[in-house]
Amino acid sequence: SQTIHQWPATLVQPVGSPLSLECTVEGTSNPNLYWYRQAAGRGLQLLFYSIGIDQISSEVPQNLSASRPQDRQFILSSKKLLLSDSGFYLCACLLSVGRSNSPLHFGNGTRLTVT
Amino acid sequence: GNSVTQMEGPVTLSEEAFLTINCTYTATGYPSLFWYVQYPGEGLQLLLKATKADDKGSNKGFEATYRKETTSFHLEKGSVQVSDSAVYFCALNSGGYQKVTFGTGTKLQVIP
Repeated sequence: SQTIHQWPATLVQPVGSPLSLECTVEGTSNPNLYWYRQAAGRGLQLLFYSIGIDQISSEVPQNLSASRPQDRQFILSSKKLLLSDSGFYLCACLLSVGRSNSPLHFGNGTRLTVT
Repeated sequence: GNSVTQMEGPVTLSEEAFLTINCTYTATGYPSLFWYVQYPGEGLQLLLKATKADDKGSNKGFEATYRKETTSFHLEKGSVQVSDSAVYFCALNSGGYQKVTFGTGTKLQVIP
């Protein structure tokens, strides 16, 4: 079965500093990959999704970017963090692309606090 | 486009009470429906799913039935426990290069 690794688990960064969050997937190939953000007490906001290497779609215009340099690696980045970037970031993967009965599988998330 | 609407929380129940969390959806085609659970500080976990009309998904005492006529997928549990305290998300997946559509989540707090 697939496993999603996210790191770091928690991160405290000053405003204006860069960001790099990494997500890797084991146990599958060619998954769809997703980055979600969850603000405190709020629902899930889809930030980016990827259907393959170097194929990234952005859902929300912002100062974040995503890259997928390898099939099972998905990176979320920022050049300069804002206070509003604070939140809980979740990586997810979707197996069996094209089949509606496939559930999303989530990593354990990264808690980012921008100070 | 697709959308999922679930009841506002938080929901506070006493232990052993009956739970219902309402979820309705709009979607094209024949989506699959899911309930996810998020325990404090963790990612989301799949709780149950149903892939066609009248299917009943069940897991850990939770149940939900795919009702196409009312476009609903309400989550129920006959007797909740303190350990069920979490945020519950209803979601749908309509296939293709799909993006799963989530509801806003319902926080459940069960008190002893």
